[in-house]
Amino acid sequence: EPEVTQTPSHQVTQMGQEVILRCVPISNHLYFYWYRQILGQKVEFLVSFYNNEISEKSEIFDDQFSVERPDGSNFTLKIRSTKLEDSAMYFCASSEWAGGFQPQHFGDGTRLSIL
Amino acid sequence: DQQVKQNSPSLSVQEGRISILNCDYTNSMFDYFLWYKKYPAEGPTFLISISSIKDKNEDGRFTVFLNKSAKHLSLHIVPSQPGDSAVYFCAASERAGNQFYFGTGTSLTVIP
Repeated sequence: EPEVTQTPSHQVTQMGQEVILRCVPISNHLYFYWYRQILGQKVEFLVSFYNNEISEKSEIFDDQFSVERPDGSNFTLKIRSTKLEDSAMYFCASSEWAGGFQPQHFGDGTRLSIL
Repeated sequence: DQQVKQNSPSLSVQEGRISILNCDYTNSMFDYFLWYKKYPAEGPTFLISISSIKDKNEDGRFTVFLNKSAKHLSLHIVPSQPGDSAVYFCAASERAGNQFYFGTGTSLTVIP
């Protein structure tokens, strides 16, 4: 069964540094998403991406964050000038259609630790 | 922001019995609801969904019930198996392609 893959599985970064989290969505999917889960808290939406542009973003997704689909397979989340509170699990997800009720399929996440 | 709530952080059930996981929501604009299952060190895995035009959807041992007037949905697992032990999240969205709002999860333990 096709799956969403994320790399790396664990990223350790010094505070203030930039980090790029990578995702390969399922190949025929059109919508892409990033979520995060701070330890002990719920999964929170960050951003959705469709047709090479952001379609929706949450309050969390401020100027520190950016997303990009640099080629036909990768979908990246960049966090500039990381802060301690950015430490979390970051999940990438994708869904098939632009319309209709479709589940989002999640990767296994990247654990980001900011020191 | 507590648009989706799972008030039971944990649930223990004997193998073979029914597991019932509950979820409440506050946003009347939600029209698509899903249940995800999550094992440690893995991402959420889609389990079952229901749209607001239905009140029940069944897939094998899993059934989701939606009560729109009460803004409540539940997941029934019967019979429960030890492999069902995981954290279960309910999620909801207002429209297709939109963000999902997640509950805080219920940790299910099925005792052999």
